[in-house]
Amino acid sequence: KNQVEQSPQSLIILEGKNCTLQCNYTVSPFSNLRWYKQDTGRGPVSLTIMTFSENTKSNGRYTATLDADTKQSSLHITASQLSDSASYICVVSGQAGTALIFGKGTTLSVSS
Amino acid sequence: NAGVTQTPKFQVLKTGQSMTLQCAQDMNHNSMYWYRQDPGMGLRLIYYSASEGTTDKGEVPNGYNVSRLNKREFSLRLESAAPSQTSVYFCASSVVRGLTNEKLFFGSGTQLSVL
Repeated sequence: KNQVEQSPQSLIILEGKNCTLQCNYTVSPFSNLRWYKQDTGRGPVSLTIMTFSENTKSNGRYTATLDADTKQSSLHITASQLSDSASYICVVSGQAGTALIFGKGTTLSVSS
Repeated sequence: NAGVTQTPKFQVLKTGQSMTLQCAQDMNHNSMYWYRQDPGMGLRLIYYSASEGTTDKGEVPNGYNVSRLNKREFSLRLESAAPSQTSVYFCASSVVRGLTNEKLFFGSGTQLSVL
């Protein structure tokens, strides 16, 4: 069964600290992996999209990595800010044209 | 830029009532989607429209109908609401469904409660 598992479920960090969120998937065949940020009461917003040939992709203070062999991805947030408090969702796409599979998300709280 | 606009933002229904959720995008996208988000679960696809004039079922279509009114607008209808349809509903759009680097743009959501 195609699944996307994220860990941890929730995380609390101090402002200015770094953190890493994990995503493991069993989707096969694999087309691409996306990370979305969802603020409370808002829709998800795309952070990165990576195909199987891409190992790393950055978007400002967000850096996503992908290991297609082990079917693992991580999202690293550098120098966290209060505005980073949100749910981060890992989404995996199988072969082109098939439905996206969404993880349950990791809820990040950044405190001052 | 408005992007994807959903109405209403909140709605409370009684079991058996009907309603239509509206969605419009101003990005000239071909594909549009309806998702639901429930606590402790990932977003699930209800219906999608790959292009104007076409609609297809997603993962959880039962109890819903959709209409792709034109290229901009995609509505979701609940004919007889049930408590199991209490959820947050998101409309999304993309340039073309199935592209390798297809990016989804989401609306702000409709929080629906069915009593």
